Amino acid sequence: AQKITQTQPGMFVQEKEAVTLDCTYDTSDQSYGLFWYKQPSSGEMIFLIYQGSYDEQNATEGRYSLNFQKARKSANLVISASQLGDSAMYFCAMREGQTGGFKTIFGAGTRLFVKA
Amino acid sequence: EPEVTQTPSHQVTQMGQEVILRCVPISNHLYFYWYRQILGQKVEFLVSFYNNEISEKSEIFDDQFSVERPDGSNFTLKIRSTKLEDSAMYFCATLGVTYEQYFGPGTRLTVT
Repeated sequence: AQKITQTQPGMFVQEKEAVTLDCTYDTSDQSYGLFWYKQPSSGEMIFLIYQGSYDEQNATEGRYSLNFQKARKSANLVISASQLGDSAMYFCAMREGQTGGFKTIFGAGTRLFVKA
Repeated sequence: EPEVTQTPSHQVTQMGQEVILRCVPISNHLYFYWYRQILGQKVEFLVSFYNNEISEKSEIFDDQFSVERPDGSNFTLKIRSTKLEDSAMYFCATLGVTYEQYFGPGTRLTVT
């Protein structure tokens, strides 16, 4: 069974507009972490934002915010004021709890295209 | 800010050859990981390493793969006899005390 589901293989957004990238997860752990990473064409994995399972406030980092809905097991990434440089692959990931050895499970990714 | 480093950034090897990918974890981290990403696909867990031994491995991590921490600083992934399908980006990662995972920049392995 998929533990991280990203249902949007590709997304288009107009420059300067906001975009939401969807992510749902599945775990029975009480303690876990949710991450979003950006992967440009160069291949490196760039950390964007982190949400702990016990954090009550939604995480924000500059233009990135994570819409965390624990009961629905969703952790959507919102990018405000999109820029051309935001065009990349975006991965949602979950760091499992101790029972999972704290390893990270990745979704299949969403490719974001920002149009000028 | 501390970071995970990996060498080389790109390795080209012939099928059947052995390769060793190197990682220098963040110094006070205790859990170490290797992940693989075949071009165009998602990142897959290979193995986790804690207290100088493998704590978990995926079904991808077969007898051709091994990991070790030979000198207390480097963390290596060895592939004994590379196959074409081993061509991928390999990421090392370490776990901090706040349970955030820090990824290295990756090594792109090309098997010809």
